[in-house]
Amino acid sequence: QSVLTQPPSASGTPGQRVTISCSGSSSNIGSSDVNWYQQFPGSAPKLLIFTNDQRPSGVPDRFSGSKSGTSASLAISGLQSEDEADYYCAAWDDSLNGFYVFGTGTKVTVL
Amino acid sequence: QVQLQESGPGLVKPSETLSLTCTVSGGSLSSYYWGWIRQPPGKELEWIGYAYYRGSTNYNPSLKSRVTISVDTSKNQFSLNLSSVTAADTAVYYCARGKLRYSTGGSRSNWFDPWGQGTLVTVSS
Repeated sequence: QSVLTQPPSASGTPGQRVTISCSGSSSNIGSSDVNWYQQFPGSAPKLLIFTNDQRPSGVPDRFSGSKSGTSASLAISGLQSEDEADYYCAAWDDSLNGFYVFGTGTKVTVL
Repeated sequence: QVQLQESGPGLVKPSETLSLTCTVSGGSLSSYYWGWIRQPPGKELEWIGYAYYRGSTNYNPSLKSRVTISVDTSKNQFSLNLSSVTAADTAVYYCARGKLRYSTGGSRSNWFDPWGQGTLVTVSS
């Protein structure tokens, strides 16, 4: 069971802004940087955001990340139909000699 | 462009060892971490562990007693062994390249990119 909590679902109409939260603790988000992954059904996850707010080349600037304290957020501005996917946050956790942990995942639906 | 491809049996019997190999093309294993992540059907992602190209490893505490990840730089491959499997180990297994960086403030940043396409492993008799 993940120690990073996300809402199960989020939705919006095309063009809207959608925000996904990721809640952790002092041993993970509170002390490590956060990453976000996008996953389409039947496909492998793809890195969307690394080090809290950095976009790999090729990722549209509609996607942005932020972190504050023990929580992080992913925002999708100008929502498009092709953004319908599952989104996972992830971070290193310093407890138990350290391990990488993924969030519970959020399904984004474009209405 | 680095690409990763998982290979191995799609069916493993309970109590046996699950063995997968990830072949890396388009780049070397040097200077990176090489990891395994799995996803049970309809569930969230779970990090299994990773190995640095020089051989050091780090595993998920919940799987540590059963996991071995090793790197073969001569073959540009790394592998996963998971022993004493049960039905709960049925999942899509992904291999991925890991990166580790520390910020000036000391905050650790780990991420995985790129990923292999994944391979479904079913544990059943």
